[in-house]
Amino acid sequence: EVQLVESGGGLVQPGASLKLSCVASGFTFSDYWMSWVRQTPGKTMEWIGDIKYDGSYTNYAPSLKNRFTISRDNAKSTLYLQMSNVRSEDTATYYCTRDDSGFDYWGQGVMVTVSS
Amino acid sequence: DVVLTQTPSILSATIGQSVSISCRSSQSLLDSDGNTYLYWFLQRPGQSPQRLIYLVSNLGSGVPNRFSGSGSGTDFTLKISGVEAEDLGVYYCMQATHAPDTFGAGTKLELK
Repeated sequence: EVQLVESGGGLVQPGASLKLSCVASGFTFSDYWMSWVRQTPGKTMEWIGDIKYDGSYTNYAPSLKNRFTISRDNAKSTLYLQMSNVRSEDTATYYCTRDDSGFDYWGQGVMVTVSS
Repeated sequence: DVVLTQTPSILSATIGQSVSISCRSSQSLLDSDGNTYLYWFLQRPGQSPQRLIYLVSNLGSGVPNRFSGSGSGTDFTLKISGVEAEDLGVYYCMQATHAPDTFGAGTKLELK
C-alpha cells in the first residue's frame, strides 16, 4: 500500500525557516517524480514544485522559487521541503504527492501556521 | 499562469442525480507532445485530495465508472452519472500543460 507521511509542521514566526519531511512507503520511491502542493485556509490549492526521481532536477512555482527548496533522499525514501523567510501567506496545509499521470497519491498533509 | 475557471462553485444534488462540472482554461491545454494534461480531484471533508481522472478522460485506479471526463482545448467537463453519498466534497480541476501547474478554485458538491 502506497503511503506518504508528512511531518515537521507547526507554528512558526514570520521570517523563520522550517523544513518539512515526507516519508514514502509501499513503492519504489526512486522511480518517481515527487511534488509538494499546499492548500490555504480558504481551500485554494497551489502547486509548490517538484523534483525528478534522481533528485537532479527541480521545478518551482515562480512566486516561491527564491524561498522554498525541494530535495530528496532516495536511500531514506524521504522528500523534503525547506521553507525560508516564511510569511503569513505561507500558512497552509502542505501535501506531499507522487507524480504519476498527475498526483496519484497524496499524504495526509501537515499544517504550517506562520504567526507572531 | 494558466487560470482554470470552474463552474458552478456550489452544486446541490440528490442521490442518484447526474451532474456535471465545467472547467475552462485561459489557454489551450493541448501540449506539443499531443497530450492534454488536465486532471480532476475530489477532496472529501477532512481528507486529502484523491485523483479521479487523468489526461482528460482516463479513470484513476479504483475510481468508480460513474465518473467520466471529457473535453479538449480549453473546455473540460467532469460528469457523475448517479451521485452517491460518498461523492460529496470539493472537486478540483488541475492543469500541468503550462508551467506552473495550476488548480481551479473548486466546486463543492452538496446534498440538496
